[in-house]
Amino acid sequence: GENVEQHPSTLSVQEGDSAVIKCTYSDSASNYFPWYKQELGKRPQLIIDIRSNVGEKKDQRIAVTLNKTAKHFSLHITETQPEDSAVYFCAASTPPNAGGTSYGKLTFGQGTILTVHP
Amino acid sequence: DARVTQTPRHKVTEMGQEVTMRCQPILGHNTVFWYRQTMMQGLELLAYFRNRAPLDDSGMPKDRFSAEMPDATLATLKIQPSEPRDSAVYFCASGPTYDRFEKLFFGSGTQLSVL
Repeated sequence: GENVEQHPSTLSVQEGDSAVIKCTYSDSASNYFPWYKQELGKRPQLIIDIRSNVGEKKDQRIAVTLNKTAKHFSLHITETQPEDSAVYFCAASTPPNAGGTSYGKLTFGQGTILTVHP
Repeated sequence: DARVTQTPRHKVTEMGQEVTMRCQPILGHNTVFWYRQTMMQGLELLAYFRNRAPLDDSGMPKDRFSAEMPDATLATLKIQPSEPRDSAVYFCASGPTYDRFEKLFFGSGTQLSVL
């Protein structure tokens, strides 16, 4: 099955700096890679996603890059702010196979605790 | 603003007791997921359903856990008997399709403490 590794487990930056979180996946069939942000005591919420036919996607201060050959993808946050402090999860989605013997699955990384210091 | 609704938000119980957690997925979503979150294991998939049928429950300890969808508006996760190691936050999530996981919406979670 799919295995998603996420690094670092904790990341501390100063306000205004950039933050980068990296994930690797094992199943080359994975074709969709979302990122979730979870604030303390709250639910995970989707912040950005990327499909396997795209190499990069940006949304204001956040961007995600995908390297299918190397099977890794990264989240980039620029001009970080204290409200960016949260746990960030990457995930990889494996579609069902053509024969229908394997169902689609979403596998999460272990999470990165990001702290942005004012 | 459509939301996944989970009850209860918090549950404290004693070891050996039955625990039932409930989830109301977003209307029209045909996939429902149960995840368990702990500091050590992160987000673990316990079970997921498509059109109320279980697709995968391999992540769930079968001897004590059971997951069902009695109808399209209700998913339940039961633990019987509960153990202290079951203490975690249990999230339900729903999505519109089973093979493309965009727009996966999480509920607020049930914080379970088993003493």
